[in-house]
Amino acid sequence: DAGITQSPRHKVTETGTPVTLRCHQTENHRYMYWYRQDPGHGLRLIHYSYGVKDTDKGEVSDGYSVSRSKTEDFLLTLESATSSQTSVYFCAISETGDGNEQFFGPGTRLTVL
Amino acid sequence: KNQVEQSPQSLIILEGKNCTLQCNYTVSPFSNLRWYKQDTGRGPVSLTIMTFSENTKSNGRYTATLDADTKQSSLHITASQLSDSASYICVVSAGFQKLVFGTGTRLLVSP
Repeated sequence: DAGITQSPRHKVTETGTPVTLRCHQTENHRYMYWYRQDPGHGLRLIHYSYGVKDTDKGEVSDGYSVSRSKTEDFLLTLESATSSQTSVYFCAISETGDGNEQFFGPGTRLTVL
Repeated sequence: KNQVEQSPQSLIILEGKNCTLQCNYTVSPFSNLRWYKQDTGRGPVSLTIMTFSENTKSNGRYTATLDADTKQSSLHITASQLSDSASYICVVSAGFQKLVFGTGTRLLVSP
Protein backbone atom coordinates (compact mmCIF):
# COMPACT_ATOMS: atom_id res chain seq x y z
CA ASP A 1 0.00 0.00 0.00
CA ALA A 2 2.76 2.40 -1.05
CA GLY A 3 3.83 3.50 2.44
CA ILE A 4 0.37 4.58 3.55
CA THR A 5 -1.26 3.49 6.78
CA GLN A 6 -4.70 4.28 8.09
CA SER A 7 -5.92 4.03 11.65
CA PRO A 8 -8.09 2.67 12.95
CA ARG A 9 -8.85 0.00 10.35
CA HIS A 10 -12.28 -0.66 11.80
CA LYS A 11 -14.46 1.45 14.05
CA VAL A 12 -18.00 1.21 15.37
CA THR A 13 -19.43 4.31 16.96
CA GLU A 14 -22.77 5.82 17.90
CA THR A 15 -24.66 8.63 16.25
CA GLY A 16 -23.62 12.03 17.54
CA THR A 17 -20.12 11.09 18.66
CA PRO A 18 -16.99 12.68 17.18
CA VAL A 19 -14.69 10.44 15.17
CA THR A 20 -11.19 11.07 13.84
CA LEU A 21 -9.52 8.93 11.22
CA ARG A 22 -5.80 9.17 10.63
CA CYS A 23 -3.77 8.74 7.46
CA HIS A 24 0.00 8.50 7.67
CA GLN A 25 2.41 8.39 4.71
CA THR A 26 6.12 7.76 4.46
CA GLU A 27 6.46 8.82 0.78
CA ASN A 28 6.74 12.58 1.37
CA HIS A 29 4.06 13.19 -1.28
CA ARG A 30 2.61 16.68 -1.36
CA TYR A 31 -1.01 15.78 -2.03
CA MET A 32 -3.24 13.76 0.27
CA TYR A 33 -6.89 12.84 -0.18
CA TRP A 34 -9.80 11.40 1.73
CA TYR A 35 -12.43 9.40 -0.16
CA ARG A 36 -15.45 7.42 0.84
CA GLN A 37 -16.61 4.28 -0.94
CA ASP A 38 -20.20 3.15 -0.82
CA PRO A 39 -22.09 0.43 -2.71
CA GLY A 40 -23.45 1.74 -5.99
CA HIS A 41 -21.15 4.74 -5.98
CA GLY A 42 -17.68 5.26 -7.24
CA LEU A 43 -15.09 6.59 -4.84
CA ARG A 44 -16.08 10.11 -3.87
CA LEU A 45 -13.69 12.81 -2.78
CA ILE A 46 -14.34 14.31 0.65
CA HIS A 47 -11.39 16.67 1.14
CA TYR A 48 -7.86 16.95 -0.10
CA SER A 49 -4.67 18.68 0.96
CA TYR A 50 -2.02 20.28 -1.24
CA GLY A 51 0.43 21.01 1.55
CA VAL A 52 0.80 21.51 5.28
CA LYS A 53 -2.21 23.49 6.52
CA ASP A 54 -3.53 23.74 2.94
CA THR A 55 -6.79 21.90 2.34
CA ASP A 56 -9.81 22.13 0.09
CA LYS A 57 -13.26 20.58 -0.20
CA GLY A 58 -14.27 17.73 -2.43
CA GLU A 59 -17.70 16.80 -3.73
CA VAL A 60 -19.05 15.31 -0.46
CA SER A 61 -17.46 17.47 2.23
CA ASP A 62 -20.55 18.28 4.33
CA GLY A 63 -20.19 16.90 7.86
CA TYR A 64 -16.44 16.39 7.56
CA SER A 65 -13.40 18.45 8.42
CA VAL A 66 -9.70 17.80 7.88
CA SER A 67 -6.37 18.94 9.17
CA ARG A 68 -2.80 18.55 8.06
CA SER A 69 -0.20 19.79 10.52
CA LYS A 70 2.65 17.67 9.12
CA THR A 71 3.47 16.48 5.62
CA GLU A 72 3.01 12.85 6.64
CA ASP A 73 -0.31 13.08 8.48
CA PHE A 74 -3.81 13.90 7.24
CA LEU A 75 -6.71 13.68 9.67
CA LEU A 76 -10.38 13.33 8.82
CA THR A 77 -12.87 14.33 11.51
CA LEU A 78 -16.57 13.67 11.73
CA GLU A 79 -17.68 16.25 14.28
CA SER A 80 -20.96 14.47 15.03
CA ALA A 81 -21.24 11.14 13.26
CA THR A 82 -24.47 10.19 11.49
CA SER A 83 -25.62 6.84 10.12
CA SER A 84 -25.23 8.21 6.57
CA GLN A 85 -21.49 8.41 7.23
CA THR A 86 -21.25 4.65 7.60
CA SER A 87 -18.80 3.83 4.85
CA VAL A 88 -15.32 2.69 3.96
CA TYR A 89 -12.87 5.58 3.99
CA PHE A 90 -9.73 5.60 1.88
CA CYS A 91 -6.78 7.89 2.10
CA ALA A 92 -4.71 8.47 -1.03
CA ILE A 93 -1.49 10.29 -1.83
CA SER A 94 -0.03 11.78 -4.98
CA GLU A 95 3.18 13.55 -5.95
CA THR A 96 1.29 16.05 -8.10
CA GLY A 97 -2.35 17.01 -8.38
CA ASP A 98 -2.57 17.21 -12.13
CA GLY A 99 -3.88 13.74 -12.86
CA ASN A 100 -0.80 11.89 -11.71
CA GLU A 101 -1.31 8.48 -10.16
CA GLN A 102 -2.84 8.32 -6.71
CA PHE A 103 -1.77 5.61 -4.29
CA PHE A 104 -4.39 4.35 -1.88
CA GLY A 105 -4.21 3.23 1.72
CA PRO A 106 -5.86 0.06 3.04
CA GLY A 107 -9.07 1.77 4.13
CA THR A 108 -11.02 2.27 7.36
CA ARG A 109 -14.42 0.67 7.77
CA LEU A 110 -16.61 2.96 9.87
CA THR A 111 -20.00 1.94 11.18
CA VAL A 112 -22.23 4.54 12.82
CA LEU A 113 -25.09 3.00 14.79
CA LYS B 1 -22.32 15.88 -16.08
CA ASN B 2 -19.06 13.96 -15.93
CA GLN B 3 -19.76 10.25 -15.68
CA VAL B 4 -17.96 6.94 -15.94
CA GLU B 5 -20.05 3.84 -16.54
CA GLN B 6 -18.71 0.32 -16.30
CA SER B 7 -20.12 -2.94 -17.51
CA PRO B 8 -20.88 -5.57 -16.58
CA GLN B 9 -21.49 -4.90 -12.89
CA SER B 10 -20.31 -8.39 -12.07
CA LEU B 11 -18.86 -11.32 -13.93
CA ILE B 12 -17.99 -14.93 -13.18
CA ILE B 13 -15.49 -16.77 -15.36
CA LEU B 14 -13.63 -20.06 -15.15
CA GLU B 15 -9.95 -20.04 -14.29
CA GLY B 16 -7.83 -19.88 -17.42
CA LYS B 17 -10.45 -18.10 -19.51
CA ASN B 18 -10.16 -14.57 -20.89
CA CYS B 19 -12.53 -11.72 -20.19
CA THR B 20 -13.08 -8.10 -21.18
CA LEU B 21 -14.43 -5.33 -18.99
CA GLN B 22 -15.92 -2.16 -20.45
CA CYS B 23 -15.76 1.49 -19.48
CA ASN B 24 -17.69 4.31 -21.18
CA TYR B 25 -17.12 7.87 -20.11
CA THR B 26 -18.54 11.32 -20.65
CA VAL B 27 -15.79 13.41 -19.07
CA SER B 28 -14.54 16.71 -20.35
CA PRO B 29 -11.87 17.80 -20.59
CA PHE B 30 -10.06 14.46 -20.79
CA SER B 31 -6.61 14.13 -19.26
CA ASN B 32 -6.04 10.42 -18.78
CA LEU B 33 -7.78 7.13 -17.98
CA ARG B 34 -6.70 4.59 -15.42
CA TRP B 35 -7.73 1.10 -14.49
CA TYR B 36 -7.42 0.09 -10.86
CA LYS B 37 -7.71 -3.33 -9.26
CA GLN B 38 -9.24 -3.50 -5.81
CA ASP B 39 -8.99 -6.69 -3.81
CA THR B 40 -11.61 -7.25 -1.12
CA GLY B 41 -10.74 -5.27 1.98
CA ARG B 42 -7.87 -3.42 0.31
CA GLY B 43 -7.34 -0.09 -1.40
CA PRO B 44 -7.30 0.23 -5.19
CA VAL B 45 -4.01 -0.44 -6.97
CA SER B 46 -3.20 1.03 -10.37
CA LEU B 47 -2.95 -1.36 -13.33
CA THR B 48 -2.58 0.99 -16.30
CA ILE B 49 -2.80 4.65 -17.18
CA MET B 50 -3.40 6.00 -20.70
CA THR B 51 -3.34 9.49 -22.09
CA PHE B 52 -5.29 10.76 -25.08
CA SER B 53 -2.67 9.67 -27.58
CA GLU B 54 -2.31 6.11 -26.32
CA ASN B 55 -4.72 3.43 -27.44
CA THR B 56 -3.19 0.33 -25.85
CA LYS B 57 -1.30 -0.31 -22.64
CA SER B 58 -0.32 -3.65 -21.17
CA ASN B 59 0.66 -4.78 -17.71
CA GLY B 60 1.38 -8.49 -17.74
CA ARG B 61 -1.86 -10.33 -18.46
CA TYR B 62 -3.83 -7.08 -18.33
CA THR B 63 -4.28 -5.06 -21.53
CA ALA B 64 -6.21 -1.81 -21.59
CA THR B 65 -7.43 -0.13 -24.74
CA LEU B 66 -8.70 3.40 -25.25
CA ASP B 67 -10.80 4.84 -28.05
CA ALA B 68 -10.87 8.57 -27.36
CA ASP B 69 -13.23 9.19 -30.29
CA THR B 70 -15.99 6.97 -28.92
CA LYS B 71 -14.96 7.59 -25.30
CA GLN B 72 -14.65 3.93 -24.53
CA SER B 73 -12.03 1.84 -22.81
CA SER B 74 -11.72 -1.85 -22.16
CA LEU B 75 -9.62 -4.00 -19.88
CA HIS B 76 -8.80 -7.45 -21.21
CA ILE B 77 -7.58 -10.13 -18.84
CA THR B 78 -5.83 -13.07 -20.42
CA ALA B 79 -5.61 -16.57 -18.93
CA SER B 80 -7.38 -15.57 -15.75
CA GLN B 81 -6.13 -16.72 -12.36
CA LEU B 82 -7.91 -17.05 -9.04
CA SER B 83 -5.97 -14.03 -7.83
CA ASP B 84 -7.68 -11.92 -10.49
CA SER B 85 -10.87 -12.07 -8.43
CA ALA B 86 -11.38 -8.44 -7.46
CA SER B 87 -13.20 -5.28 -8.42
CA TYR B 88 -11.84 -3.35 -11.37
CA ILE B 89 -12.38 0.38 -11.37
CA CYS B 90 -12.14 2.74 -14.33
CA VAL B 91 -11.10 6.29 -13.43
CA VAL B 92 -11.01 9.27 -15.78
CA SER B 93 -9.09 12.42 -15.00
CA ALA B 94 -10.65 15.69 -16.09
CA GLY B 95 -7.64 17.72 -15.01
CA PHE B 96 -6.35 19.13 -11.76
CA GLN B 97 -7.98 17.36 -8.80
CA LYS B 98 -10.84 16.14 -10.94
CA LEU B 99 -11.01 12.36 -10.94
CA VAL B 100 -14.26 10.67 -11.94
CA PHE B 101 -14.57 7.10 -10.68
CA GLY B 102 -16.69 4.32 -12.10
CA THR B 103 -18.57 2.02 -9.75
CA GLY B 104 -16.45 -0.95 -10.78
CA THR B 105 -16.90 -4.44 -12.18
CA ARG B 106 -16.73 -7.25 -9.66
CA LEU B 107 -14.91 -10.23 -11.19
CA LEU B 108 -14.98 -13.69 -9.71
CA VAL B 109 -12.65 -16.30 -11.15
CA SER B 110 -13.93 -19.75 -10.36
CA PRO B 111 -11.70 -22.87 -10.21
